[in-house]
Amino acid sequence: NAGVTQTPKFRVLKTGQSMTLLCAQDMNHEYMYWYRQDPGMGLRLIHYSVGEGTTAKGEVPDGYNVSRLKKQNFLLGLESAAPSQTSVYFCASSVQGPVDGYTFGSGTRLTVV
Amino acid sequence: GQQLNQSPQSMFIQEGEDVSMNCTSSSIFNTWLWYKQDPGEGPVLLIALYKAGELTSNGRLTAQFGITRKDSFLNISASIPSDVGIYFCAAQNYGGSQGNLIFGKGTKLSVKP
Repeated sequence: NAGVTQTPKFRVLKTGQSMTLLCAQDMNHEYMYWYRQDPGMGLRLIHYSVGEGTTAKGEVPDGYNVSRLKKQNFLLGLESAAPSQTSVYFCASSVQGPVDGYTFGSGTRLTVV
Repeated sequence: GQQLNQSPQSMFIQEGEDVSMNCTSSSIFNTWLWYKQDPGEGPVLLIALYKAGELTSNGRLTAQFGITRKDSFLNISASIPSDVGIYFCAAQNYGGSQGNLIFGKGTKLSVKP
């Protein structure tokens, strides 16, 4: 049972380039989330989804887009990367919301130069 | 917006010592959770608390949901080297943050040199 899998694990982008981060879960969870983690800032919610075909904005959504076409996948897109988006990105999923606790992936370390 | 204040920000432990950390807020929450993050990995759920005053243990870890519902505490007894990492508190209030979890900025545990 793989849990939550994030790809890629590392990536370096040039300013203005675009990319998509993929999150896949095999636990049949309804809810999925994208967080970013920066030193001294903790975890901040970017976007989330409460089910297939739905997405919603979190605390820091600007510069990112998401899609949840299939229940098991949640994609995070950066259309035009900026140095301020250098961060570690974590995907998480939960059965039916936060009270169940989240299962996190192992993260994607993104550097924008 | 709602914020969780975690303290201490960092601490050094010596094997065998007991460790205490806490999380406070000016807001009331319905659920408190504690996560641990090892280097290069995503956070892992340690303990979930659902009722004011609740005291829950997981091995050497004990967490409490504060009576005022504005705080939570985590204690680690007889620490061992593998306890090092970053500990995050998280909380949910159905009426705020779209019902999603918000996270503290973390308490980093390191081994005393």
